[in-house]
Amino acid sequence: GAGVSQTPSNKVTEKGKYVELRCDPISGHTALYWYRQSLGQGPEFLIYFQGTGAADDSGLPNDRFFAVRPEGSVSTLKIQRTERGDSAVYLCASSYGGENTEAFFGQGTRLTVV
Amino acid sequence: AQRVTQPEKLLSVFKGAPVELKCNYSYSGSPELFWYVQYSRQRLQLLLRHISRESIKGFTADLNKGETSFHLKKPFAQEEDSAMYYCALRTGANSKLTFGKGITLSVRP
Repeated sequence: GAGVSQTPSNKVTEKGKYVELRCDPISGHTALYWYRQSLGQGPEFLIYFQGTGAADDSGLPNDRFFAVRPEGSVSTLKIQRTERGDSAVYLCASSYGGENTEAFFGQGTRLTVV
Repeated sequence: AQRVTQPEKLLSVFKGAPVELKCNYSYSGSPELFWYVQYSRQRLQLLLRHISRESIKGFTADLNKGETSFHLKKPFAQEEDSAMYYCALRTGANSKLTFGKGITLSVRP
């Protein structure tokens, strides 16, 4: 494939609305990660999937954020009751998992909450 | 908890000048250290990792456990090196990456 694909590339939503961000990992990659990057900051970890299960969701900021990966491939990050502070670039990365494997990043989804 | 510190936000040099991008980390165990690069309008990509001990695009980085540092160096900067550089740490296979805030490298002709 062409790499990790994220859709949409840009999303503008009103405060209080619900949004879904999609990530298509590289075929065969079992590990999938979501990060959030605010202006002037490095990417910050949100959640990690190994296969279908969330192996580490310690980075999710609160219960408005949820992510799924039902078939172990595509993942969706869901944000309820969006707030202006949720505005950021949301990055997805995937890898084969295991020792010495490289994580490949998508282009990101720029979310703007107005 | 682990932390990565990149003390500078911007480094501007002339073409051909040496470059050193600083990275310090805090972690009580033995981490894996990485440098990621993001060129203009491109996605974040791996530049190099400490376990490989290789030179990529003329860049090298040595893990100094005593000083808990992983500085990125290049003896002669090129204009195409202009980009955003992030230092990152991982505490084990499959675990999350912890990133620094990043530094913008600008190489002037």
